[in-house]
Amino acid sequence: TQLLEQSPQFLSIQEGENLTVYCNSSSVFSSLQWYRQEPGEGPVLLVTVVTGGEVKKLKRLTFQFGDARKDSSLHITAAQPGDTGLYLCAGGGVNFGNEKLTFGTGTRLTIIP
Amino acid sequence: EPEVTQTPSHQVTQMGQEVILRCVPISNHLYFYWYRQILGQKVEFLVSFYNNEISEKSEIFDDQFSVERPDGSNFTLKIRSTKLEDSAMYFCAMGLAGTDTQYFGPGTRLTVL
Repeated sequence: TQLLEQSPQFLSIQEGENLTVYCNSSSVFSSLQWYRQEPGEGPVLLVTVVTGGEVKKLKRLTFQFGDARKDSSLHITAAQPGDTGLYLCAGGGVNFGNEKLTFGTGTRLTIIP
Repeated sequence: EPEVTQTPSHQVTQMGQEVILRCVPISNHLYFYWYRQILGQKVEFLVSFYNNEISEKSEIFDDQFSVERPDGSNFTLKIRSTKLEDSAMYFCAMGLAGTDTQYFGPGTRLTVL
């Protein structure tokens, strides 16, 4: 059974600070997706990373897939109140392409103005 | 991001009743998934569906659940005899062939009384 653990579970920081959240597993994933979820809504895709060591940037957000494809991180630079939300990582199956996603436990981020 | 729509947004039903949740697919996205999220818990995989067949299902997806694409467009999840523990948000997701990326709908909140 593939499991994804996210840390920290909760994070509250001041506007303008930098932060990193982590997504870890003992299993290898074919890819890693990061989603953001607002209360009562569906997960909204932020990024997909597929190659070990891959780094993708989305404005102030930087996503990295671990070399062994077992872990990933999300770094936010100069956090803003609009970044507040629940961040979820989700791993693809062992074989790339159209397998189920295994979701992490989530990091609830609060940015204090 | 491609938009997935789901109906209804909320469904309240009595225990033992049948419910049908619907999802309108995105053009060219041929892989369909259902996930659920019990309040405060992780997003959990239920079933994947391709070419009018179930590709994979989880232990949650027992004989009370079924999926179909009856008219070649809408993708449905049926729960035959709802239980209290079926109360959750149900998300439809879709993906293109050969990718792990899945796009999620806004969800249907199912409440079983």
